[in-house]
Amino acid sequence: DIQMTQSPSSLSASVGDRVSITCRASQSISSYLNWYQLKPGKAPKLLIYAASNLQSGVPSRFSGSGSGTDFTLTISSLQPEDFATYYCQQSYSTPLYTFGQGTKLEIK
Amino acid sequence: QVQLQESGPGLVKPSQTLSLTCTVSGASVSSDDYYWSWIRQPPGKGLEWIGYIYYSGSTSTNPSLKSRLTLSVDTFKNQFSLMLTSVTAADTAVYYCARLGRQHGYSFDYWGQGTLVTVSS
Repeated sequence: DIQMTQSPSSLSASVGDRVSITCRASQSISSYLNWYQLKPGKAPKLLIYAASNLQSGVPSRFSGSGSGTDFTLTISSLQPEDFATYYCQQSYSTPLYTFGQGTKLEIK
Repeated sequence: QVQLQESGPGLVKPSQTLSLTCTVSGASVSSDDYYWSWIRQPPGKGLEWIGYIYYSGSTSTNPSLKSRLTLSVDTFKNQFSLMLTSVTAADTAVYYCARLGRQHGYSFDYWGQGTLVTVSS
């Protein structure tokens, strides 16, 4: 199985800050990397697919980069609604899709 | 607008069978562009992919659950379902249904809100 490791596991930041979350794969996954936002009681939301493609309807302050084993999700200017938990997911090793352990983004 | 909604019992006794249904609106489970998936999240833990079913009935499942899992699809009702047998406390989780698309890098582009299933006597 391909293991996905996110860092940090939690992060405190303020509205307006620029934040980055890293995801590392245990082997090369090319650009088969997706990012999701989870909030309690709400449907999870796809933010970025194929490493750097912004899903329709997602604000442009979200961006993704990377290929191979190292990937980054960046939020350029945090908004109050962005405080949530973020997960990466590899889709290289289909169909055994695996997720990172999550990064909880909290208000400082 | 694509929407998915999970339904089923919130409490299941150990050794019994967990059954959930996902009702899809705004999209057709008969589409050949998508796979209809289940994902779960145990309390305080990360996300685990359970499996998916295609409109034709073909399935793919997580090897860790394969022997206990049955997936099915009902194209007339535009629903798909999950049955997990011989459950234990380790199966307690929020269960999500989601749509998996090929064209967007095999990403889960729409999800349900999730339903908490607790395994307890």
